[in-house]
Amino acid sequence: AQSVTQLGSHVSVSEGALVLLRCNYSSSVPPYLFWYVQYPNQGLQLLLKYTSAATLVKGINGFEAEFKKSETSFHLTKPSAHMSDAAEYFCAVTSFGNEKLTFGTGTRLTIIP
Amino acid sequence: DAGITQSPRHKVTETGTPVTLRCHQTENHRYMYWYRQDPGHGLRLIHYSYGVKDTDKGEVSDGYSVSRSKTEDFLLTLESATSSQTSVYFCAISAPPSYEQYFGPGTRLTVT
Repeated sequence: AQSVTQLGSHVSVSEGALVLLRCNYSSSVPPYLFWYVQYPNQGLQLLLKYTSAATLVKGINGFEAEFKKSETSFHLTKPSAHMSDAAEYFCAVTSFGNEKLTFGTGTRLTIIP
Repeated sequence: DAGITQSPRHKVTETGTPVTLRCHQTENHRYMYWYRQDPGHGLRLIHYSYGVKDTDKGEVSDGYSVSRSKTEDFLLTLESATSSQTSVYFCAISAPPSYEQYFGPGTRLTVT
């Protein structure tokens, strides 16, 4: 079975500060990992994905994530937070041949002006 | 944006009544999914489909059934709605060999 754990259900950062959202995964096979963002009253939008190519993945809106096998982590970062980054973020995992994603419980990001 | 629509977008219904939610896609993607989203639980898979008339259960399938008679439509039915099924329901699609899923706008269902 595969799972992801998102540490911190709520994270607050000041505008212009570093954003760090944590995701740790559990998988007995090489994982494929995703970050999604959900703005209020909307569906989920793909931010970035890791599918066994480069370990540092760049996504939309200035976000990036690094796959670290030794730490079983796939943390999401952005150097400088904007007010528009306020949303809920979900990490998800799957693997080759598995068309189902397993989602974490989400992290709500608040940006302090 | 992927062409995915969900209907209705909002629904209030009474306990014990049947409810059907519709997901419609214009992308001709093979896989379609139904999730529910609840605070503290993230997204949980209810059912999914890997082709016309081909469906399978997810982790929270009790009380739900699905049907897919056409590539573009995936229906989720609550045969007899209960208050525990109050939730936001999302449809998603994907197409191999890509594993990423694209989501619809959601349906907010309230069972009173």
